[in-house]
Amino acid sequence: GQQLNQSPQSMFIQEGEDVSMNCTSSSIFNTWLWYKQDPGEGPVLLIALYKAGELTSNGRLTAQFGITRKDSFLNISASIPSDVGIYFCAGQLGAGGTSYGKLTFGQGTILTVHP
Amino acid sequence: DTGVSQNPRHKITKRGQNVTFRCDPISEHNRLYWYRQTLGQGPEFLTYFQNEAQLEKSRLLSDRFSAERPKGSFSTLEIQRTEQGDSAMYLCASSRRDRGPTGANVLTFGAGSRLTVL
Repeated sequence: GQQLNQSPQSMFIQEGEDVSMNCTSSSIFNTWLWYKQDPGEGPVLLIALYKAGELTSNGRLTAQFGITRKDSFLNISASIPSDVGIYFCAGQLGAGGTSYGKLTFGQGTILTVHP
Repeated sequence: DTGVSQNPRHKITKRGQNVTFRCDPISEHNRLYWYRQTLGQGPEFLTYFQNEAQLEKSRLLSDRFSAERPKGSFSTLEIQRTEQGDSAMYLCASSRRDRGPTGANVLTFGAGSRLTVL
């Protein structure tokens, strides 16, 4: 099935460093979401973006919805060991009443943080 | 517990056997989704219910797969005559549409049911 192009595939960083990952698509999405998944668990929502150009923060996380509606990035500042996990971007078609929630996911970015 | 609950968490079966997974969504959510995730990949959409109606099925959902949501509450996903290629994590999610201006439809995922077919 279709998936978004997410990069990098993996990152190994030192505690305290900043992290940036991005996601691109050949199709337009009207909502972009970022999820984190720990081993053996389901994805947990981090940030949701609803408007092109929108920049949203959640604690040390900042994400932006690209103005073309075909890309998004996620930044994590001052990383800590519990940031370890797999980060997924996801795009959602439709807006308002036309959206029923189907998501298209990226392949994920595996983040390792060394203390 | 107000999260999405999935059972069993792990299932090991022999090729050719049937398996069934259950999902209990968040109680006020009328939308329920099944996704499949294989190792090293993001989740892939399988099917979607609004209340008891199954409104979309992916081409990934072969005729050996059937999903039901009989009373618009819990859902089951059955795989008949399992094959080794069915080994994956099966994720359930639920949502309700935000009545605000965004009309957002944010999915909450369960912990998943991991299937291993020997």
